[in-house]
Amino acid sequence: RKEVEQDPGPFNVPEGATVAFNCTYSNSASQSFFWYRQDCRKEPKLLMSVYSSGNEDGRFTAQLNRASQYISLLIRDSKLSDSATYLCVVNRGGYALNFGKGTSLLVTP
Amino acid sequence: EAGVTQSPTHLIKTRGQQATLRCSPISGHTSVYWYQQALGLGLQFLLWYDEGEERNRGNFPPRFSGRQFPNYSSELNVNALELEDSALYLCASSSSILQNSNQPQHFGDGTRLSIL
Repeated sequence: RKEVEQDPGPFNVPEGATVAFNCTYSNSASQSFFWYRQDCRKEPKLLMSVYSSGNEDGRFTAQLNRASQYISLLIRDSKLSDSATYLCVVNRGGYALNFGKGTSLLVTP
Repeated sequence: EAGVTQSPTHLIKTRGQQATLRCSPISGHTSVYWYQQALGLGLQFLLWYDEGEERNRGNFPPRFSGRQFPNYSSELNVNALELEDSALYLCASSSSILQNSNQPQHFGDGTRLSIL
């Protein structure tokens, strides 16, 4: 079983829609969690850290469920510029990050 | 503030040659990470350096090696290049995770290595 698993999509949504991605991780010792965004043939960029209490940054909301070992990302009022691959990232502590393969989002006019 | 910088942007080599990729972390960051992203695949962790030492390596053969210099910059060396080494090589840096693992990584633009 892969350490971090995501639905690859693609998710095709119209502008203004709300879309949610989930990600599961296998190692219960994982300590920190992030969502990154990667545009085609570019480097990943940190979107947000994910905290146990859940956190929000503008139109983006991240949630962590340690009991079920999943992380979610909710995007409200989707914009065309949100089209990208969203990477779920988990750190087991003392080790480098483990990346999911990413979920592809396409926002259409 | 300058971000993570990598050089060269593109590198073309032939099978059997050796490649050296370079990375300068964000000022103040001591942890440097190397990842390989082959076409259509996710990021695969290669190497992690902190305070000049190799702290962990991914599931790659020994011909992938590197080092971290006193100024925290880093080199990735790939010997005896094979066709399947063609990929985007990304370097990332963070504040040291030896003390606090909750440190996000910031990526450079990558070096695109092509093996002919």
